[in-house]
Amino acid sequence: SAVISQKPSRDICQRGTSLTIQCQVDSQVTMMFWYRQQPGQSLTLIATANQGSEATYESGFVIDKFPISRPNLTFSTLTVSNMSPEDSSIYLCSPRGGPRNEQFFGPGTRLTVL
Amino acid sequence: GQSLEQPSEVTAVEGAIVQINCTYQTSGFYGLSWYQQHDGGAPTFLSYNALDGLEETGRFSSFLSRSDSYGYLLLQELQMKDSASYFCAGDSGNTPLVFGKGTRLSVIA
Repeated sequence: SAVISQKPSRDICQRGTSLTIQCQVDSQVTMMFWYRQQPGQSLTLIATANQGSEATYESGFVIDKFPISRPNLTFSTLTVSNMSPEDSSIYLCSPRGGPRNEQFFGPGTRLTVL
Repeated sequence: GQSLEQPSEVTAVEGAIVQINCTYQTSGFYGLSWYQQHDGGAPTFLSYNALDGLEETGRFSSFLSRSDSYGYLLLQELQMKDSASYFCAGDSGNTPLVFGKGTRLSVIA
């Protein structure tokens, strides 16, 4: 399985500020997804970030609020913009690849917005 | 779109066997995955079924029946460390996984 790291692992931010989350994978992957998970809840897909194309967002998520970059096949960033307490959640990057096209998860970024 | 249903909670005794069911409604279904997530941790991949039948990996097995739109995760010889949330997830090929709401498994002595 791929080795995936995320930075920061956690952060406490003030309302109205922005945070950029970085995701690094130790192998090249075509497909990269970003999820959000509220405490005690399931995973909700935010967007798909494939290299070489614009990110595609799920219903309820927009590019102005969650801009994504995917400059190469091993790296991606997700920015949470103009944060509010409702954005407090765990954000996970999730690359997909390998011989069985498996989907893996980074360790997550635990965000608290005050 | 896809939707997956699984029980919200299951409790089982250490050393026993437990089965976590997952039914799905989906268009263009391709395969069913299972993930384990401990409190405070990230989801960890357990298994993937693209074909009907049983896949076994150590104490864990996963089953898929396409005709019934149904699958399950079977955990044998339960250990206390198996207490976690278990998610089934469906995909349609090269699409992101859609997750069920998760089953919280509590293993008791």
